[in-house]
Amino acid sequence: EVQLVESGGGLVQPGGSLRLSCAASGFTFSSYAMHWVRQAPGKGLEYVSAISSNGGSTYYANSVKGRFTISRDNSKNTLYLQMGSLRAEDMAVYYCARGDILTGYPNGFDYWGQGTLVTVSS
Amino acid sequence: DIQMTQSPSSLSASVGDRVTITCRASQGIRNDLGWYQQKPGKAPKRLIYAASSLQSGVPSRFSGSGSGTEFTLTISSLQPEDFATYYCLQHNSYPLLTFGGGTKVEIK
Repeated sequence: EVQLVESGGGLVQPGGSLRLSCAASGFTFSSYAMHWVRQAPGKGLEYVSAISSNGGSTYYANSVKGRFTISRDNSKNTLYLQMGSLRAEDMAVYYCARGDILTGYPNGFDYWGQGTLVTVSS
Repeated sequence: DIQMTQSPSSLSASVGDRVTITCRASQGIRNDLGWYQQKPGKAPKRLIYAASSLQSGVPSRFSGSGSGTEFTLTISSLQPEDFATYYCLQHNSYPLLTFGGGTKVEIK
């Protein structure tokens, strides 16, 4: 059974840093691109970041570029999101998601974690 | 960037009703679109992939259609457990994926 379990959320002051983790199990982690998606309270879903299966390619939404860093440790089956210079508008539930593959091409997300809440407040 | 315009943003319907939700892409995205259901406090769950393929385990009352710029999610007979928020997600411009704004389906 595929499982994605996020951790690391919490309360952080504006300008502070936080590292989120996503522990994966039930599939060959190193074969899949992984993603972070966030949802501010009462708002819709926002795509945040992506990393290729081997970690060699990364992508960031403009809203987090230069402040967030996505990484992965395939030996530990774990995805990370290092968040810095946090702002009030970064407050959200952060989900990790597995990138689906269909006939060799990206096909959205097929599995999601339960999410971890990041609160940015003084 | 590809923009996804989802409509309506909310709707009220009764159990047994047929419900249709639409997503329009700002440019052609072939069939590179999925539909997701999210219930309060829960992670999204994929219902449809490749615009019209039903995700395994999802009831057959859910269906998707469309290609290019206009896409539709239809619930043929709304059930109590279907009251939720629905999102479309395009992946044509991978890795720059974009979500629609969401449609909240409420009980009339």
